Amino acid sequence: RKEVEQDPGPFNVPEGATVAFNCTYSNSASQSFFWYRQDCRKEPKLLMSVYSSGNEDGRFTAQLNRASQYISLLIRDSKLSDSATYLCVVNPSQGAQKLVFGQGTRLTINP
Amino acid sequence: DTGVSQNPRHKITKRGQNVTFRCDPISEHNRLYWYRQTLGQGPEFLTYFQNEAQLEKSRLLSDRFSAERPKGSFSTLEIQRTEQGDSAMYLCASSRSGEGSEFFGPGTRLTVL
Repeated sequence: RKEVEQDPGPFNVPEGATVAFNCTYSNSASQSFFWYRQDCRKEPKLLMSVYSSGNEDGRFTAQLNRASQYISLLIRDSKLSDSATYLCVVNPSQGAQKLVFGQGTRLTINP
Repeated sequence: DTGVSQNPRHKITKRGQNVTFRCDPISEHNRLYWYRQTLGQGPEFLTYFQNEAQLEKSRLLSDRFSAERPKGSFSTLEIQRTEQGDSAMYLCASSRSGEGSEFFGPGTRLTVL
C-alpha cells in the first residue's frame, strides 16, 4: 500500500464548478499535511498547509480527518487557471525530515 | 531571483556516463532535499541535508548516487554509470528548520539514451 494515495483523475470540470479531491495516508503518526500544485513541466509549489481545524484560502478549502486518515481539498468557483496537478503531501513523522507525495490528481477546467 | 536554482535544466547523456547536478537553495534555508520525479508520479524523496550533514538517504539512492553539500550552501547530486531507468526529473528543495513546507527548484530533466 502506498503511503499517500490519490485518485490520479483526470478530472475535467466546467469553469465555475466546485471540485473536491480526497487523499488517504497510511501512517497514523503523520504530523504535517500539505497540498502542492504542479503545472505541466514545472516544479511543485505549495498551495496550502492543512490543519486539523481545517483552513480556507480564498476559493480553496482544505480539511484533515485524522481518525479516517484522509485529507481533502475543495475548489469553489473554479477558474481556467486552476488547471494543474494537485499533489497531496504528508510529513510522515515528527522525526522525519522528508515529504511523501501522492501520485497527484490532474485537473482540467474547461471553458 | 531568490528562489531555489538548479543547473543544468536539461541533461542528455549516454548510458554508462557520469552526470552531476547542482542545486543552490534559498540563502537562509539550512535544509536541502533531493527528490526524483517520473512521468505521472509524485516526487520521491532521495536524500536530505541539514547544513552540511547528510541526515537521511532513501533506499532509492543506490550506490551509484552520491550527494554532497560541502559548505552547507549549494549541493551536488552525482549519478555514476547512468542507466536508462535513471531518466527522470531531479528536483531540489529547501526549507528552514522547523518549517514543514519546502520550496522547490525548477528541476533538472535527465534523459539517458
